[in-house]
Amino acid sequence: EAGVAQSPRYKIIEKRQSVAFWCNPISGHATLYWYQQILGQGPKLLIQFQNNGVVDDSQLPKDRFSAERLKGVDSTLKIQPAKLEDSAVYLCASSPAGVRAGELFFGEGSRLTVL
Amino acid sequence: AQSVSQHNHHVILSEAASLELGCNYSYGGTVNLFWYVQYPGQHLQLLLKYFSGDPLVKGIKGFEAEFIKSKFSFNLRKPSVQWSDTAEYFCAVRGSASYDKVIFGPGTSLSVIP
Repeated sequence: EAGVAQSPRYKIIEKRQSVAFWCNPISGHATLYWYQQILGQGPKLLIQFQNNGVVDDSQLPKDRFSAERLKGVDSTLKIQPAKLEDSAVYLCASSPAGVRAGELFFGEGSRLTVL
Repeated sequence: AQSVSQHNHHVILSEAASLELGCNYSYGGTVNLFWYVQYPGQHLQLLLKYFSGDPLVKGIKGFEAEFIKSKFSFNLRKPSVQWSDTAEYFCAVRGSASYDKVIFGPGTSLSVIP
């Protein structure tokens, strides 16, 4: 099966600029996650979608971050305006429903550098 | 709140040495437990998982983990490591409800010296 696709792989921006990341999950996976991974740390959940509804966004900095999942498939994560501390790898993951719920399939990640 | 701690930030072993990476979690309910691995230049992938049943679970590449409920632990083991096991290892936990989120630990970097 095709894996989770993410783009762009790398992005360099200056602080206060905006950036958007795109994710296409594995076909049929109802749950989609965005994680932020800062160098040397574990992935931190930003937002979790079930189909096109938000299940958890408690850790999303809503004053600057937004995410949507139109039609329950692709998703976009946006940062506006970016801060230096947003430099990280943004990971998209999807998981199947049922007995394998919570088993995450990750994309390659989008590495953001904010100057 | 859910949380995961991992005992070691960085482990260095020689080939053929035995490995044990510690993981403890905090969660007030039934849990699903995971170990994920990230090899250099690759994306995160599932190494093994515990949902229910036998607390000793086996994963890919000879890894196993034991769930000890009384200790809130899920330690990863391998009897003999290889150079190709050099990677970042992440322990993760979620509740057992359908939409529960997956929380990751800080990770352990394993370096295996030939």
